[in-house]
Amino acid sequence: AQSVTQPDIHITVSEGASLELRCNYSYGATPYLFWYVQSPGQGLQLLLKYFSGDTLVQGIKGFEAEFKRSQSSFNLRKPSVHWSDAAEYFCAVVPFSSNTGKLIFGQGTTLQVKP
Amino acid sequence: NAGVTQTPKFRVLKTGQSMTLLCAQDMNHEYMYWYRQDPGMGLRLIHYSVGEGTTAKGEVPDGYNVSRLKKQNFLLGLESAAPSQTSVYFCASSNQRDLYEQYFGPGTRLTVT
Repeated sequence: AQSVTQPDIHITVSEGASLELRCNYSYGATPYLFWYVQSPGQGLQLLLKYFSGDTLVQGIKGFEAEFKRSQSSFNLRKPSVHWSDAAEYFCAVVPFSSNTGKLIFGQGTTLQVKP
Repeated sequence: NAGVTQTPKFRVLKTGQSMTLLCAQDMNHEYMYWYRQDPGMGLRLIHYSVGEGTTAKGEVPDGYNVSRLKKQNFLLGLESAAPSQTSVYFCASSNQRDLYEQYFGPGTRLTVT
């Protein structure tokens, strides 16, 4: 079965430092991949998505992610973190042959930003 | 344009009680979803709907029922609440063109004692 793993439950970075959040997937083909962000007390918001083509995708709020088939990874990056980036981040994948919008989410990574 | 709204925001139930969570969207989206969020488990899909009058089971449907009588509303029911249903519940919607760009409501925090 398809699955998504986010190895880091909690990450702390200093404001202005770079950020990389890891995501690994288990899948038999090229998946559709997503990163969502959940600010405290809020619902989730889509940051970026990968369907095919260029393996480096740009998203909102200055985030980017790189799809690496050889490593089954889709890591999220940001060159310089702002205090407002403190949130929980979820990687997600579309189940095989799904056309209903169903998503499988990872466990989430909580990002704390130090001043 | 309110997006996706959920009612109520908080609720405490005793074991065995029933309740209905209401989700409403004003974006004319065809697809709607109910998720539950538990610590360390991400979001898990309970039920979903691909259009008015249709519903389907997700990953964790047991103990829940849903109805989509109107396109803009998606109701989640708990007939006999159990402590294992203590969770934060999120509703989401999407349109057919951008299925996976789901718009989420603010959530309902449910505690079952």
